[in-house]
Amino acid sequence: QLQLQESGPGLVKPSETLSLSCAVSGGSISTSGYYWGWIRQPPGKWPEWIGSIYHSGSTYYSPSLKSRVTLFMDVSKNQFSLRLSSVTAADTATYYCARHTPRHAPFDYWGQGSLVTVSS
Amino acid sequence: EIVLTQSPGTLSLSPGERATLSCRAGQSVSSNYLAWYQQKPGQAPRLLIYGASTRATGIPDRFSGSGSGTEYTLTISRLEPEDFAVYYCQQYGTSQQAFGQGTKVEIK
Repeated sequence: QLQLQESGPGLVKPSETLSLSCAVSGGSISTSGYYWGWIRQPPGKWPEWIGSIYHSGSTYYSPSLKSRVTLFMDVSKNQFSLRLSSVTAADTATYYCARHTPRHAPFDYWGQGSLVTVSS
Repeated sequence: EIVLTQSPGTLSLSPGERATLSCRAGQSVSSNYLAWYQQKPGQAPRLLIYGASTRATGIPDRFSGSGSGTEYTLTISRLEPEDFAVYYCQQYGTSQQAFGQGTKVEIK
């Protein structure tokens, strides 16, 4: 059974960079056809897709966040990571990692989520 | 970006009743790439339906999806106590996939 687990700081200061990782167990992130995505959900609001990374390392970002987002993979650790730069209070949210396969597919496996608060 | 509008915002029903949730897209959803998720407090969304009408693995058959183009519906035939939650639709057919704002199904 595929499992995903987010990790990272729960508090980030404004203008700094938010960094989260997602450890995958029960499967390899290098498996052909698998896409690994990040979704965030501000408190009391609906989810928002941030971006996805393919097993080959190709990345796809939400146009609204593209200028601030970087996704990358660490195959040796079987994990993938998110960096979001120049954060503001509007970036406060629960951040989820999830899998979808193929590219145009819903998210079928999700992590439990990691709440990140942006505050000084 | 395809904007998804869900209605109603809140649905107050009793266990055993039928729930009908609507998701309207601002433009036609490519290949009916429309999914429905259930989310309970403190949990990640759970995939219920994809391709507008296909149930995900392990989803009970009281959940059904229908629709095409710009109009989609999630129906729960008989509400069980564990079905009271928030439901989101999602379109994943474009490079800017998006979620609707959700419908909360609450106990009347």
